[in-house]
Amino acid sequence: GNSVTQMEGPVTLSEEAFLTINCTYTATGYPSLFWYVQYPGEGLQLLLKATKADDKGSNKGFEATYRKETTSFHLEKGSVQVSDSAVYFCALSDPADSSYKLIFGSGTRLLVRP
Amino acid sequence: GAVVSQHPSWVICKSGTSVKIECRSLDFQATTMFWYRQFPKQSLMLMATSNEGSKATYEQGVEKDKFLINHASLTLSTLTVTSAHPEDSSFYICSAPTRTDLYQETQYFGPGTRLLVL
Repeated sequence: GNSVTQMEGPVTLSEEAFLTINCTYTATGYPSLFWYVQYPGEGLQLLLKATKADDKGSNKGFEATYRKETTSFHLEKGSVQVSDSAVYFCALSDPADSSYKLIFGSGTRLLVRP
Repeated sequence: GAVVSQHPSWVICKSGTSVKIECRSLDFQATTMFWYRQFPKQSLMLMATSNEGSKATYEQGVEKDKFLINHASLTLSTLTVTSAHPEDSSFYICSAPTRTDLYQETQYFGPGTRLLVL
């Protein structure tokens, strides 16, 4: 079945450091891939997405490239800020599933120190 | 982007009482909505798919009689936690998909409802 695996956190960085959060997936078809962010006490917000191989999703300085050959969708940011502290979830949906269910990874907590 | 709201944002209740949580799509119609449960520092667990005009579809292990779902209209789904107990305390999140381009639907999430059962 479909699944998503994320690197375990927490990830602790200093402000302006480079961020990478690894995400790999297993899917029988051609899934769409997403990164969601959850700030403390809030619900999930869509950060970026990619729907086919080699697509690059980007938003707020974050980027992730859909790599079919390595079944990965790693999240990167060149210079993190304290305000980026949150939990990041990688997720996939299978277009063949008409219900559009999302399958989530376990989440990675990011803490950025001033 | 599309907006999904939830009400209430937090609720405290006594054990044995029932609690209703509303999920609304504010600027789009949603024939399907999803209900998730999130425990502290854990990922989201899909509980059920709410279908407008028909019965909800529950994930394995989720008690249908415990978590009643009603999709009353194209913009409203409700989750009722019946006879709540302390172990039902959790963060409940709903989501609704909407078409963002010709080929793709994207899910938008509500801000969540924190339930504490005493």
